[in-house]
Amino acid sequence: DSGVTQTPKHLITATGQRVTLRCSPRSGDLSVYWYQQSLDQGLQFLIQYYNGEERAKGNILERFSAQQFPDLHSELNLSSLELGDSALYFCASSVYGHIAPGTDTQYFGPGTRLTVL
Amino acid sequence: GQQVMQIPQYQHVQEGEDFTTYCNSSTTLSNIQWYKQRPGGHPVFLIQLVKSGEVKKQKRLTFQFGEAKKNSSLHITATQTTDVGTYFCAWFFQGAQKLVFGQGTRLTINP
Repeated sequence: DSGVTQTPKHLITATGQRVTLRCSPRSGDLSVYWYQQSLDQGLQFLIQYYNGEERAKGNILERFSAQQFPDLHSELNLSSLELGDSALYFCASSVYGHIAPGTDTQYFGPGTRLTVL
Repeated sequence: GQQVMQIPQYQHVQEGEDFTTYCNSSTTLSNIQWYKQRPGGHPVFLIQLVKSGEVKKQKRLTFQFGEAKKNSSLHITATQTTDVGTYFCAWFFQGAQKLVFGQGTRLTINP
């Protein structure tokens, strides 16, 4: 158990819909990262938040957005869903994420499996 | 641009055999991390290498960072069924301020 929690574990929805994935980081971690893992694309970095502020952006679509709240939990919003958005979505957290970035250990949550029908 | 290849994509071994996965970069890396993802699980951090020529061991796992910091390897001695999973290398891409993961090497083991 990494200490990172994600809800829900599974989500099945239809094309065109909007969903929200939730992540609670490990106690004391200030950074939250979102990743998408699909069979053909591997583990793709989407976005990072540090202490409520967006820190880095990866291959995140305009239909996707995220935020980190004052209590440090984060939500990833996916809208106008397409079949190709079906994937595992992981949240990870780290202590800093801004000091010597890339050297922080990232702790991954169990993931949310999204299926778009 | 920065390109890092992880090979092989798949590896099947008999239990007790050794296993190695490699990450090779076209440019010098500042550091490299290794993660393991069990089937149906999430990536778990194994180790980070920072220094040129660094070698670190964790029981049957040996991690190396090349002298030029352009390649890294993970070697497992005498595999066990608990080693099954996908092993990822990851490196920090300074330009985009993000951790980039290799495609992973999926290890399966015949008991």
